[in-house]
Amino acid sequence: DIQMTQSPASLSASLEEIVTITCQASQDIGNWLAWYQQKPGKSPQLLIYDATSLADGVPSRFSGSRSGTQYSLKISRLQVEDIGSYYCQQAHSNPYTFGAGTKLELK
Amino acid sequence: QVTLKESGPGMLQPSQTLSLTCTFSGTSLSTSNMGLSWLRQPSGKGLEWLASIWNNDNYYNPSLRSRLTISKETSKNQVLLKFTSMEPADTATYYCACGYYFDYWGQGVMVTVSS
Repeated sequence: DIQMTQSPASLSASLEEIVTITCQASQDIGNWLAWYQQKPGKSPQLLIYDATSLADGVPSRFSGSRSGTQYSLKISRLQVEDIGSYYCQQAHSNPYTFGAGTKLELK
Repeated sequence: QVTLKESGPGMLQPSQTLSLTCTFSGTSLSTSNMGLSWLRQPSGKGLEWLASIWNNDNYYNPSLRSRLTISKETSKNQVLLKFTSMEPADTATYYCACGYYFDYWGQGVMVTVSS
């Protein structure tokens, strides 16, 4: 199975701050990576797909990037509505695996 | 607008079989790149992919393959999941999701396995 090592596990940031979350894949997955946001008590929502493409309706302050087998999600100016948990997911190989998640809180 | 809704028993006893139904609208399983998947999430923990159905092909998480069966009822816009030999460790919220990635998600159904 492809392991997705996500960091940090938790993050406290201030409004308007730049936030970066990373995922390291245990092997080459190309651009087969997605990022999801999950607000408390809600279902996950797709933010980024194909490593860098913004899903429909997602604010432009979210962006994804790739460097080799390391993937990053960046929130350029943190807003209150961005609070929640974030997960990366590889779609390269069965089983489709997720990172353990990053819990983002307001400082 | 794509919507999905999961239904199933809220509670079952160890060793029983879980039967879940995902009823969807706004899309069709015959649409290219429109797979439908089941995932789960224990309370306070991460996400686990279970199974997907794409066109007429089924895909399973190998670690759970022997216990899972995914199927579809196209005329009803439903995808079904059967999960045998349930145990307390299977207690979780079960989601259906569709899309090439998991583009759209249902609200989830909480399943508790307890004697």
